[in-house]
Amino acid sequence: DQQVKQNSPSLSVQEGRISILNCDYTNSMFDYFLWYKKYPAEGPTFLISISSIKDKNEDGRFTVFLNKSAKHLSLHIVPSQPGDSAVYFCAANNTNAGKSTFGDGTTLTVKP
Amino acid sequence: GAVVSQHPSRVICKSGTSVKIECRSLDFQATTMFWYRQFPKQSLMLMATSNEGSKATYEQGVEKDKFLINHASLTLSTLTVTSAHPEDSSFYICSARGTRHYNEQFFGPGTRLTVL
Repeated sequence: DQQVKQNSPSLSVQEGRISILNCDYTNSMFDYFLWYKKYPAEGPTFLISISSIKDKNEDGRFTVFLNKSAKHLSLHIVPSQPGDSAVYFCAANNTNAGKSTFGDGTTLTVKP
Repeated sequence: GAVVSQHPSRVICKSGTSVKIECRSLDFQATTMFWYRQFPKQSLMLMATSNEGSKATYEQGVEKDKFLINHASLTLSTLTVTSAHPEDSSFYICSARGTRHYNEQFFGPGTRLTVL
């Protein structure tokens, strides 16, 4: 039973346009959500996060939206740049459990 | 800040031998470290969670006698793959979590293990 799902394995976007990456979860105990970015042969790096008490968090070109009733979150990147091309992982935390559950990742390709 | 290193970055070994991978938090104290394995279709599989000074908690399906984890200090955790076989070939990634940013994990650069 996969508790965090990223249903799109890949996404291709033109440079300058918006990239929207989606993530769904099933466990209502999750109370903190994170997005990580990963380049090939490297470890993931933290990008942006959101607490379950918020519905939006913005950091520069990156915005994460959380819809608790739908158990859905999304990452918006605007404008997209070729350097954003990477695998993006959604992660969900149950703070009491002390660990993150990751989705399978979405490979974003931003074309020049 | 919050840098995590892994050593070695790449290792090739013969079947039946054991391999040790080190994970270090360089500028913070890691109360908890996690070990992941990344499969070819890119998903990160959590193998185990280790807290400093205590035994690691392994995820279901992960053999604790095969993947030995030691977290002897607040800056170092090791993963030993014992009696490695070709199916153990994979990309192993550690992450560390301190007390300042409890919800966030800082990942190491990963170790590519190839078992011949």
